Amino acid sequence: DAKTTQPNSMESNEEEPVHLPCNHSTISGTDYIHWYRQLPSQGPEYVIHGLTSNVNNRMASLAIAEDRKSSTLILHRATLRDAAVYYCILITSGTYKYIFGTGTRLKVLA
Amino acid sequence: DAGITQSPRHKVTETGTPVTLRCHQTENHRYMYWYRQDPGHGLRLIHYSYGVKDTDKGEVSDGYSVSRSKTEDFLLTLESATSSQTSVYFCAISEKISYEQYFGPGTRLTVT
Repeated sequence: DAKTTQPNSMESNEEEPVHLPCNHSTISGTDYIHWYRQLPSQGPEYVIHGLTSNVNNRMASLAIAEDRKSSTLILHRATLRDAAVYYCILITSGTYKYIFGTGTRLKVLA
Repeated sequence: DAGITQSPRHKVTETGTPVTLRCHQTENHRYMYWYRQDPGHGLRLIHYSYGVKDTDKGEVSDGYSVSRSKTEDFLLTLESATSSQTSVYFCAISEKISYEQYFGPGTRLTVT
């Protein structure tokens, strides 16, 4: 199974952009890149996903490297409510395997 | 928010007793999943279901069984609870395989 590598923790100031990196050097052509986040005492929450092209939605943007071996989740203006653990996951098309890992704990400073 | 509820939300039970956790969805999604979350391990898949009466094992299925008699309900049973099954259990649903998953609020289970 393809694995992802994320920093254990990051800090950001409120109202500033945050770039959360993820390395996935063993990604295969049929792997989608998904991002989830988990706020304290809650279940994980879907954020965004992509295959090859950059993606935007109301929550965040996903920038995917041209060789697909890394990606970056971009929160355009961090708020205190964005403090959470962020998981980068590879999902092989047609499978159920979501390997969450331990993610990046984002701390947002007021 | 996806309509997913879990019950009970908290439970304390003794070693050796059977325990059933319930996941209920109102989204009519085909796929349902049970995960456990422990410090240092992230979320690990226990079992999943791809339709009524269709289930399969995940990576940590030993000691757990599941049943799905209706689209909306997915039950996780610990036949004889052990202290190593103390964990937070999350249910998730997805419309299709490999699509985004939506998670319930979790059940905190303590086995003493």
